[in-house]
Amino acid sequence: QQPVQSPQAVILREGEDAVINCSSSKALYSVHWYRQKHGEAPVFLMILLKGGEQKGHEKISASFNEKKQQSSLYLTASQLSYSGTYFCGTERGGGRQGGKLIFGQGTELSVKP
Amino acid sequence: ETGVTQTPRHLVMGMTNKKSLKCEQHLGHNAMYWYKQSAKKPLELMFVYSLEERVENNSVPSRFSPECPNSSHLFLHLHTLQPEDSALYLCASSATGDDGYTFGSGTRLTVV
Repeated sequence: QQPVQSPQAVILREGEDAVINCSSSKALYSVHWYRQKHGEAPVFLMILLKGGEQKGHEKISASFNEKKQQSSLYLTASQLSYSGTYFCGTERGGGRQGGKLIFGQGTELSVKP
Repeated sequence: ETGVTQTPRHLVMGMTNKKSLKCEQHLGHNAMYWYKQSAKKPLELMFVYSLEERVENNSVPSRFSPECPNSSHLFLHLHTLQPEDSALYLCASSATGDDGYTFGSGTRLTVV
């Protein structure tokens, strides 16, 4: 039931773009994206609820293909501050009274000057 | 203080000890969670509380015992732990509805 993320790691130069993918074998209600810097708590980036939905957060955006149970996180014109481990989390079923958010294994992103 | 606060930040305990981890949120959320994060592993969901009732126990060994006395506080009671239980234990909270989770900074637990 754990979603699968790819790639496992990516190294970028400042200003380059990256895409992180998240796939599930089960039908999904929502997909969350979080970033965790070393020694810190995961920080919520965005949630996608509907098939085909896209959202943006500064230069970070994401899409959710409900039919394929896939989500992608797009980082454009990367900055040094984007470095960290990115996790997708998936929820199955509709509605939530205390969700069951299952995380992928994470993608380690390093942005170099 | 705002956000999700976890105490202690670090804990070293022997296998025969009993200790408790504390989580407190001041966000008005009504769902709280315990996650375990081990090195090189994804975040593992342990327990879910919604409106102070446990709605999920994700096959966690009985040596971990959660307690949610009210919607702002969550505890994880530990006893007779094993060295493989050493990990970062993260607490999170959320509102019912479609919002993200807010995580605490975690408790780094070492079992010796």
